Amino acid sequence: AQKITQTQPGMFVQEKEAVTLDCTYDTSDPSYGLFWYKQPSSGEMIFLIYQGSYDQQNATEGRYSLNFQKARKSANLVISASQLGDSAMYFCAMSFPNTGNQFYFGTGTSLTVIP
Amino acid sequence: DVKVTQSSRYLVKRTGEKVFLECVQDMDHENMFWYRQDPGLGLRLIYFSYDVKMKEKGDIPEGYSVSREKKERFSLILESASTNQTSMYLCASSLLGSSWEKLFFGSGTQLSVL
Repeated sequence: AQKITQTQPGMFVQEKEAVTLDCTYDTSDPSYGLFWYKQPSSGEMIFLIYQGSYDQQNATEGRYSLNFQKARKSANLVISASQLGDSAMYFCAMSFPNTGNQFYFGTGTSLTVIP
Repeated sequence: DVKVTQSSRYLVKRTGEKVFLECVQDMDHENMFWYRQDPGLGLRLIYFSYDVKMKEKGDIPEGYSVSREKKERFSLILESASTNQTSMYLCASSLLGSSWEKLFFGSGTQLSVL
């Protein structure tokens, strides 16, 4: 069975500091993709970053980086230089191309950036 | 600008009513999905479709049905709404690619069943 776990229901970070949001996953499928989405209070889900299971290097997108540790089955999101606009829910997700691109989501982490 | 559009942002219905949630995408995506989002439970897949007139059950299909008569439109139907179906409903779409295609989401419909 596929499972995504986010153990931090809520996190606080000081503006301009870095923060790490944890995500672990469980699958026996060797081929998968890992994603992070941001959901501000407006409700829309915004794609942040993606990592493929065969990618050797950690993915980076601007201030976002994905700390991919395959042996530990973890895919933590690192946000550098936090901004007030980063306050939102963050969801980790996993997808499998062999299942019609079905996504499995974690329960989310609520991040609050403190001025 | 590519878009997934959900017909209503907020909806209030009575128990027992038949409810239609509509979703339209303009990206010519093959895959479309309906998720339900509840606090502490994350997003749970209700149904998905990878082609016109095709549908597959997700993790929580009970009490729901779907319709996909055209490629761009995917409807979620609550045959007889119940209070435990009060939730945020998110529609998403993606390409049927060989790699891992990201999901594009609509802005969600907050449904309240009274």
